Amino acid sequence: QQPVQSPQAVILREGEDAVINCSSSKALYSVHWYRQKHGEAPVFLMILLKGGEQKGHEKISASFNEKKQQSSLYLTASQLSYSGTYFCGTERGDYKLSFGAGTTVTVRA
Amino acid sequence: EPEVTQTPSHQVTQMGQEVILRCVPISNHLYFYWYRQILGQKVEFLVSFYNNEISEKSEIFDDQFSVERPDGSNFTLKIRSTKLEDSAMYFCASNQRRPNTEAFFGQGTRLTVV
Repeated sequence: QQPVQSPQAVILREGEDAVINCSSSKALYSVHWYRQKHGEAPVFLMILLKGGEQKGHEKISASFNEKKQQSSLYLTASQLSYSGTYFCGTERGDYKLSFGAGTTVTVRA
Repeated sequence: EPEVTQTPSHQVTQMGQEVILRCVPISNHLYFYWYRQILGQKVEFLVSFYNNEISEKSEIFDDQFSVERPDGSNFTLKIRSTKLEDSAMYFCASNQRRPNTEAFFGQGTRLTVV
């Protein structure tokens, strides 16, 4: 079952912050975050494992609330290069990485 | 840096024809995946493959689809009789030894069925 992402789209000015949420109705082993630029393959950002850890990549960080089966991606002081579609991927230990519908982020100067 | 390579980058085929999409995963990876992305939509899981057999497949992956690792390096997706709705970008991905590790994606094959 695919995770649910929100919002579907967000428009930011450079320097602004945003949060993208990902939730699942099933118990998760891990949550992945990927960013896809138009016409390109998804590129890995980070993975969060069970244990509620928080990880970071540049000024992009994420948290994983294992009890709530939720993960949030935080875009801090956004840059133009942050534009793209962000997908969360969830694993339940069944060799299947399932993706959410994606959140399109547009950062404007 | 090691990468997943896919060929061809773009394939146009007539409805009803068979197509084979090819992928060369990263050499020390053991888990392989095919995903599909219809234009403007999300990335959809098709199938995962480990130890020379399918581990998991989605409802999209019906009898028209098959996967194979014919020679220890290539990982192929075959669509037996293509339909218009098979038009999409197909991504191959691989990851190392077990789940819960980063998946590396190829650049994709754009399949257009006419």
